[in-house]
Amino acid sequence: DAGVIQSPRHEVTEMGQEVTLRCKPISGHNSLFWYRQTMMRGLELLIYFNNNVPIDDSGMPEDRFSAKMPNASFSTLKIQPSEPRDSAVYFCASSQPTPSGTDTQYFGPGTRLTVL
Amino acid sequence: DAKTTQPTSMDCAEGRAANLPCNHSTISGNEYVYWYRQIHSQGPQYIIHGLKNNETNEMASLIITEDRKSSTLILPHATLRDTAVYYCIAVKPGRRALTFGSGTRLQVQP
Repeated sequence: DAGVIQSPRHEVTEMGQEVTLRCKPISGHNSLFWYRQTMMRGLELLIYFNNNVPIDDSGMPEDRFSAKMPNASFSTLKIQPSEPRDSAVYFCASSQPTPSGTDTQYFGPGTRLTVL
Repeated sequence: DAKTTQPTSMDCAEGRAANLPCNHSTISGNEYVYWYRQIHSQGPQYIIHGLKNNETNEMASLIITEDRKSSTLILPHATLRDTAVYYCIAVKPGRRALTFGSGTRLQVQP
């Protein structure tokens, strides 16, 4: 199993540009999560999908951020326009619920975004 | 989800057991205790989880007190590769998102 795949691994862009981060979840997992990690705020959930449907997007910072999951094997997180404060590591995770009703989440390697 | 409290940092000698404590005094009866770790520059990695009973897998053991107000993650023979930030998280069934705190930074010393 290849695990959760994210691309690109590193992205450097200039303020005002559009940024698209991509994620391929583990095959068979029906939930997908986007997290952001910064030194100041730690790891925080942005949005998660269940069966390709957005369930909770309360962590999305503002309208500049949008996420889609057009099918079970692909998701994107888009920032438009990007700002320097968006610089962070963005993680994607996927999961399949356990019989107990909780999740074991499997994280990708992350995308390190730098907005100049 | 119940709040968890962990020490900011710990050291452990290579080859010795690493015992990482977590306090979750307000945990409810149906909340599970999950442990993840994050090695530098990598995504978080699931380690183990439990409800009431002690659990063991190939990575670690989880000891939960009888009153469930605290737990300890045990890495039986720590190696340098176990140097990471360890997160203890209380999770309710049906609550899909994880809320990460600050975790414990474990430094395994040669």
